[in-house]
Amino acid sequence: KAGVTQTPRYLIKTRGQQVTLSCSPISGHRSVSWYQQTPGQGLQFLFEYFSETQRNKGNFPGRFSGRQFSNSRSEMNVSTLELGDSALYLCASQGRDRYSNKDEQFFGPGTRLTVL
Amino acid sequence: EDKVVQSPLSLVVHEGDTVTLNCSYEVTNFRSLLWYKQEKKAPTFLFMLTSSGIEKKSGRLSSILDKKELFSILNITATQTGDSAVYLCAVEAFDAGGTSYGKLTFGQGTILTVHP
Repeated sequence: KAGVTQTPRYLIKTRGQQVTLSCSPISGHRSVSWYQQTPGQGLQFLFEYFSETQRNKGNFPGRFSGRQFSNSRSEMNVSTLELGDSALYLCASQGRDRYSNKDEQFFGPGTRLTVL
Repeated sequence: EDKVVQSPLSLVVHEGDTVTLNCSYEVTNFRSLLWYKQEKKAPTFLFMLTSSGIEKKSGRLSSILDKKELFSILNITATQTGDSAVYLCAVEAFDAGGTSYGKLTFGQGTILTVHP
């Protein structure tokens, strides 16, 4: 089973710019969640998408947005970047294993964003 | 607001030692508690616990949940240098509509260092 892929893996931007990160979930998984990980705040939930609809959202400003496409791939966008947005952005793919019928979740490798 | 607290924040042991990591939580409408191991990459899933008092085991790792006292422990016996990592605890809760929509609340993690 191919894993969760995230692109790009590393990104350097300057303050005020915007950035778009991509996540391709495991084949058959329809739910994608996004998390921000920083040394100070740990892992924090951003939002979750299922069948192109945002079902849940964390406590982040409106500069953070996302979307999901019909093939379940998801993108998240951060506009007007701030220094504090420097973090590892992880996406998690959720679904049910067709053989075991158990819910499963896998994280992607993450995108390391540095804002200068 | 859901809250997860892990202790200790860091732990240094020698190979062969047994360690116990703690996770306490406050959450409304608890659904599950999950343990992850994170090395220099994305978190990898270890256990999901939903029922109180039932131990989950995988090799030298085991975990148990106490829903009355709102905590879980992760035990690692006969530690090896490869166990060095950050161990994350997360809780999943149902929302008012009875679904969880992929939102996990993470603790700050326990940094485990195993010396040869």
